[in-house]
Amino acid sequence: QVQLVQSGAEVRKPGSSVNVSCKASGDNFNNYNVAWVRQAPGQRLEWMGRIIPFLGMANYAQRFQGRVTITADKSTSTVYMELRSLRSEDTAMYYCCQGGVRWFDSWGQGTLVTVSS
Amino acid sequence: EIVMTQSPGTLSLSPGERATLSCRASQSVRSNLAWYQQKPGQAPRLLIYGALIRATGIPARFSGSGSGTEFTLTINNLQSEDFAVYYCQQYNDWPPITFGQGTRLEIK
Repeated sequence: QVQLVQSGAEVRKPGSSVNVSCKASGDNFNNYNVAWVRQAPGQRLEWMGRIIPFLGMANYAQRFQGRVTITADKSTSTVYMELRSLRSEDTAMYYCCQGGVRWFDSWGQGTLVTVSS
Repeated sequence: EIVMTQSPGTLSLSPGERATLSCRASQSVRSNLAWYQQKPGQAPRLLIYGALIRATGIPARFSGSGSGTEFTLTINNLQSEDFAVYYCQQYNDWPPITFGQGTRLEIK
């Protein structure tokens, strides 16, 4: 099973961007997909998109289209999620997960992104 | 987008009792449904996938059933560590993959 370690908490101003990283270890990076799921305070989990690292191909939820980009660096087994044009409603815990478009076996520890002026 | 609805919102039970949690999909997801447990300050943990297959290391007291639009997570002989929030998730139709709003299982 893969272990996923995410970057630390971030504070951003409205209108800015954030880039969260997720480093994988313990399995062949080419063998699985990685998704990003976020959870705003008191809200349900929300799938943002996924990437197939060995193809570099990503799919996104429509509500995030144009604002999010998920990339992968195969040389370091790291996946990145950039979210742009941040607003207060983007304040949430962001998780990377192994699985992509099915169930999610392994989860990172989460990265809290706070958007505040 | 498939909407997942869980019930009840909160379930109050005592250790040793049986918990029955429901999840309904707005359209059929066949057996492409997973359940997760989340404790405060932690990431969700996969319990069940394929509607009824326990994930690695999940105790046998957890069981899943259902297909189509109606699903159930049953937890027999509740242990203190089982009190948490539970989410269902469909992965039959995407994007996007969608989750239910959660059921909070609390100690009575």
